[in-house]
Amino acid sequence: KAGVTQTPRYLIKTRGQQVTLSCSPISGHRSVSWYQQTPGQGLQFLFEYFSETQRNKGNFPGRFSGRQFSNSRSEMNVSTLELGDSALYLCASKVTSGTSTDTQYFGPGTRLTVL
Amino acid sequence: AQSVTQPDIHITVSEGASLELRCNYSYGATPYLFWYVQSPGQGLQLLLKYFSGDTLVQGIKGFEAEFKRSQSSFNLRKPSVHWSDAAEYFCAVDSGSARQLTFGSGTQLTVLP
Repeated sequence: KAGVTQTPRYLIKTRGQQVTLSCSPISGHRSVSWYQQTPGQGLQFLFEYFSETQRNKGNFPGRFSGRQFSNSRSEMNVSTLELGDSALYLCASKVTSGTSTDTQYFGPGTRLTVL
Repeated sequence: AQSVTQPDIHITVSEGASLELRCNYSYGATPYLFWYVQSPGQGLQLLLKYFSGDTLVQGIKGFEAEFKRSQSSFNLRKPSVHWSDAAEYFCAVDSGSARQLTFGSGTQLTVLP
């Protein structure tokens, strides 16, 4: 079974631009979560989607948004990019969001650099 | 709120030596605990997890971890480290209701030949 895939793997943008990152979960997994990883703040939860609905959201500004499609694929968007948005963005999928005993499986991440 | 502390930012061991990485969590009820490993430029790979039952859990690559409720700890161990184990290790907790993982700050492992 294929793992979580994320595209693109690397991205360079300039301040003020917007960016869209894509995540395809493991087949059969209906929940997708997004995390931001930076050297200063570590791994932080952005949001979780299940059945095309955002079920949970971390403490990030409204510039960070996401969506999930009917095939469980997810995208996240960051508008008006700031230098501090440079990070590794990780996507994770699990079977459902109904129980925490489901394990989250992570993709390789998208490395975003904002210049 | 749940939290995770990994007190050791960086650990260096010689190849073949034993390893213990510390993890302490803060959460009122029984947490769901995970250890993930991250190689440079890569995503997170699950090493092992604890949900309930036997407090000593076995994972991949010869790793094991022990859940100690009295100490709020979930330390990761390996009896003999290989050079390929050099990576960053993250402990994480899922409280259940939050439906999200809270990670520790990570421990960078260096393995000397």
